[in-house]
Amino acid sequence: TQLLEQSPQFLSIQEGENLTVYCNSSSVFSSLQWYRQEPGEGPVLLVTVVTGGEVKKLKRLTFQFGDARKDSSLHITAAQPGDTGLYLCAGANAGNMLTFGGGTRLMVKP
Amino acid sequence: DVKVTQSSRYLVKRTGEKVFLECVQDMDHENMFWYRQDPGLGLRLIYFSYDVKMKEKGDIPEGYSVSREKKERFSLILESASTNQTSMYLCATTGITYEQYFGPGTRLTVT
Repeated sequence: TQLLEQSPQFLSIQEGENLTVYCNSSSVFSSLQWYRQEPGEGPVLLVTVVTGGEVKKLKRLTFQFGDARKDSSLHITAAQPGDTGLYLCAGANAGNMLTFGGGTRLMVKP
Repeated sequence: DVKVTQSSRYLVKRTGEKVFLECVQDMDHENMFWYRQDPGLGLRLIYFSYDVKMKEKGDIPEGYSVSREKKERFSLILESASTNQTSMYLCATTGITYEQYFGPGTRLTVT
């Protein structure tokens, strides 16, 4: 079974601070996805990274896929209360199957 | 936009009851999934289906069964609910890409 470890599990910061969430595995994935989940809703896809070393930006969010395609990070610049939620990474391999990390619960206080 | 709906947002059942959770998608997707989500454990795959009447076990199928009689509908069945099945249940679907579209979830409490 492939495992994805996310860290930290919980993060509580003030508005305007920067933060990084990590997603690590000993397995190689063909692609890696990041989802955001708000209370009472299902996860929603933020981004998919496919190439080792790839960096993608989505406004204040920067996603990076490790060179070996075993790890990824999500960096948020100048966090805002609207960024509050559960962030999940998920590694993809054959057959449309995803392996999810345990999630990082982010709270951004005004 | 893909729409995935789940029959109930909240459900309370007693130990030993048979429980049906229904999921419907409107995008003609082949693949459908059932996950359970528990704090710190992320999403764990219970069962998935890649076609009508086809089903495959995921990582934690024990205590669950599924039914897919129509392409748009995927049901999760708890034959005899137990307290350790108290959880958030999420249905998802995919088309030709790996992106999974999730329903809003059903929070099931078994007392």
